[in-house]
Amino acid sequence: GENVEQHPSTLSVQEGDSAVIKCTYSDSASNYFPWYKQELGKRPQLIIDIRSNVGEKKDQRIAVTLNKTAKHFSLHITETQPEDSAVYFCAASLTDTGRRALTFGSGTRLQVQP
Amino acid sequence: KAGVTQTPRYLIKTRGQQVTLSCSPISGHRSVSWYQQTPGQGLQFLFEYFSETQRNKGNFPGRFSGRQFSNSRSEMNVSTLELGDSALYLCASSLGTGTGHTEAFFGQGTRLTVV
Repeated sequence: GENVEQHPSTLSVQEGDSAVIKCTYSDSASNYFPWYKQELGKRPQLIIDIRSNVGEKKDQRIAVTLNKTAKHFSLHITETQPEDSAVYFCAASLTDTGRRALTFGSGTRLQVQP
Repeated sequence: KAGVTQTPRYLIKTRGQQVTLSCSPISGHRSVSWYQQTPGQGLQFLFEYFSETQRNKGNFPGRFSGRQFSNSRSEMNVSTLELGDSALYLCASSLGTGTGHTEAFFGQGTRLTVV
């Protein structure tokens, strides 16, 4: 089955700096890669996703890049703010009509220092 | 539009008992997936239901089961509870059809504590 590795496990940055979180996946058939943000005591919330037919996607301060050949994808947060502090999870999935199972990475705890 | 609703929010059970958790998906969503979240194992996929049928299953023992009703609401059952079953159980709903519209939206979760 699919296996997703995520690094680093913790990341501390100064407010205004950029943060990068990296994930690798094992199943070359996976074609959908979402990123979730989970604040303490709250539900995971989708912040951005990318499909395998796209190499990069941006949404304001957040961007995701995908390298299908190397089987890795990354989350980039620019101009970090204290409210970006949370645990971030990457995930991979094969979105054919018969499967809707997300395999998650182990999470990255991001701390933005004011 | 109402989000994904899970009940109850908190549960305390004794080893050996069984428990049933409920998930109401976003209106119009037909796929409901269940995940177990623990500090040690992270977020792990349990199973997915679509149109009242289990479409996918993760690597959990048979003590973990589920079902989905005609209105897409889903229940998860854990029998013969063990201490290691203590976790946050999350359900996620999505449209579940085709290769697009794949976004999964999570509920607040049910925190189960087994004592």
